[in-house]
Amino acid sequence: RKEVEQDPGPFNVPEGATVAFNCTYSNSASQSFFWYRQDCRKEPKLLMSVYSSGNEDGRFTAQLNRASQYISLLIRDSKLSDSATYLCVVNHPNAGGTSYGKLTFGQGTILTVHP
Amino acid sequence: DTEVTQTPKHLVMGMTNKKSLKCEQHMGHRAMYWYKQKAKKPPELMFVYSYEKLSINESVPSRFSPECPNSSLLNLHLHALQPEDSALYLCASSQDPDRASNTEAFFGQGTRLTVV
Repeated sequence: RKEVEQDPGPFNVPEGATVAFNCTYSNSASQSFFWYRQDCRKEPKLLMSVYSSGNEDGRFTAQLNRASQYISLLIRDSKLSDSATYLCVVNHPNAGGTSYGKLTFGQGTILTVHP
Repeated sequence: DTEVTQTPKHLVMGMTNKKSLKCEQHMGHRAMYWYKQKAKKPPELMFVYSYEKLSINESVPSRFSPECPNSSLLNLHLHALQPEDSALYLCASSQDPDRASNTEAFFGQGTRLTVV
């Protein structure tokens, strides 16, 4: 089983649509969770961290379910500029539990928003 | 300022060449990373430096040799690479690798490497 799994899509939605991405992770010791966005031929950029209580940033809402080891991202009122690859990223400790430096990426979900 | 700077942006090298990729951050971050990204794939972790010490090596071939001269700099020395090593090499940094929180990483623009 992959450490972080995402539906690769692609998702092709019209402007104004609501779209949801899902992600699951396998390591129950994982502590930190993020959504990144990556545009074509660019570096990944942090979109938002994901907190246990759920969090919202404008049109973006992230949810975390630790019991199910499941993370989600909801984008409301999609814009053309939202077209990108969305990467689910999980931080988990090393084997000894002494360091949390290992960030693991899901395979990414491609979103295309069309007029 | 959440900036990680990588040089060069593009690099073409032969299989017998030796070259180095450079990465710099001035955010006071104590973890620095090298990732490799092939087209249409997610970034794959190569190395993690924590407080200037190598803490994670994801079984990377020895033709890739990382170096962390100080807390702001990270290098990746390349020697005898193969064409399949052609990829985007991304450097990243994060605040404190020993804490479970505040571990979000900030990425440089990457070096697009072509091995011929």
